[in-house]
Amino acid sequence: AQTVTQSQPEMSVQEAETVTLSCTYDTSESDYYLFWYKQPPSRQMILVIRQEAYKQQNATENRFSVNFQKAAKSFSLKISDSQLGDAAMYFCAYRSNDMRFGAGTRLTVKP
Amino acid sequence: NAGVTQTPKFQVLKTGQSMTLQCAQDMNHEYMSWYRQDPGMGLRLIHYSVGAGITDQGEVPNGYNVSRSTTEDFPLRLLSAAPSQTSVYFCASGQGASEKLFFGSGTQLSVL
Repeated sequence: AQTVTQSQPEMSVQEAETVTLSCTYDTSESDYYLFWYKQPPSRQMILVIRQEAYKQQNATENRFSVNFQKAAKSFSLKISDSQLGDAAMYFCAYRSNDMRFGAGTRLTVKP
Repeated sequence: NAGVTQTPKFQVLKTGQSMTLQCAQDMNHEYMSWYRQDPGMGLRLIHYSVGAGITDQGEVPNGYNVSRSTTEDFPLRLLSAAPSQTSVYFCASGQGASEKLFFGSGTQLSVL
């Protein structure tokens, strides 16, 4: 079964600085998709960014980018120019037939 | 467009009671799933379905049943509630594997 591991339960960043959240996964499949979701206190799940495993180019969405290392099964999220509104739980997710999530990283942004 | 509608939003049960969490989507998504969210454990997949008449187990299926008689509806049944099932439950739906999931607003369930 596929597993997703987020080894950082909590992270903190200064406003306007850059932070990287780690994610690793375990799979024997070659075709899959990876996602980062943000969950603010409202409990709403918000898609931040997605990556297709067959694409070598790292995905980018404005201040959010990923470092996808397929051989290492690593999928980290970089948030640049951190803003107070970025404070939330961040979940890494793997999808092939179903979607599995990591345990999450709680990001605090200090003013 | 309502998206994913999940009811109820809150529920308190006594140990041993049964209940059904309702989930409906109006986006004609083939994929639907149920997750439970517990502190420090992220979202864990309970059951999922890739189309009407097809269901499969996720990571933590014990104590839960599902059925998918229509594309729109995917109810989750708790057969005999236990305190360990106290959690926040999310229903989600999606189209292809490359697409994001759409989530319901969640159900806060407490089992006493």
